[in-house]
Amino acid sequence: DIQMTQSPSTLSASVGDRVTITCRASQSITGWLAWYQQKPGKAPKLLIYQAYRLASGVPSRFSGSGSGTGFTLTISSLQPADFATYYCQHYDSYSYTFGQGTNLEI
Amino acid sequence: QVTLRESGPALVRPTQTLTLTCTFQGFSLSTTTMCVSWIRQPPGKALEWLARIDWDDNKYYSTSLETRLTISKDASKNQVVLTMTNMDPVDTATYYCARIGSGGSGYYSFFDYWGQGTLVTVSS
Repeated sequence: DIQMTQSPSTLSASVGDRVTITCRASQSITGWLAWYQQKPGKAPKLLIYQAYRLASGVPSRFSGSGSGTGFTLTISSLQPADFATYYCQHYDSYSYTFGQGTNLEI
Repeated sequence: QVTLRESGPALVRPTQTLTLTCTFQGFSLSTTTMCVSWIRQPPGKALEWLARIDWDDNKYYSTSLETRLTISKDASKNQVVLTMTNMDPVDTATYYCARIGSGGSGYYSFFDYWGQGTLVTVSS
């Protein structure tokens, strides 16, 4: 099975910062990679799908990129609402795998 | 407007079978390209995909849990049901149902709408 590893596990940042979260696959994968934001006590929210496509209603400060084994989620200018946990997720052959999460904190 | 809502018991005894229902609105599982999944999240831990059911009744399961899981649908009631047998305290988690999207690609690769989740505790 393909494993998805996110780094860092915790990221401390400030409002206005540009931050990047990385998701690495244990082997080269297709671009069926999504990113989610989750706030405490809430369901995850889709941010990015197919590695770089912005989900409906998601601010343009969020962007995704990558290919092969390395993918990134970038937030260009952190806003207070962005402090949350972020998960990457890969799809392959009717199976879905999540990363372990990155906690973005102040 | 697409919404999903999970329902089921909050407390389950070890070895019992858990039955969860996902009731949704805003789409139909009778419509081609519609799929629904179950995902869980133990307290303080990461998300774990469990199962998927498609509009044509194809079903897919996590390989690590497939012997314990059954997913089914009642399209006329807009419901998807998940059963998990032989529950154990390690199965304590918030269980989510989610609609699967494809972005027009034909690959149902991401979860675009989620329910609010239901916490299931397994304890004697």
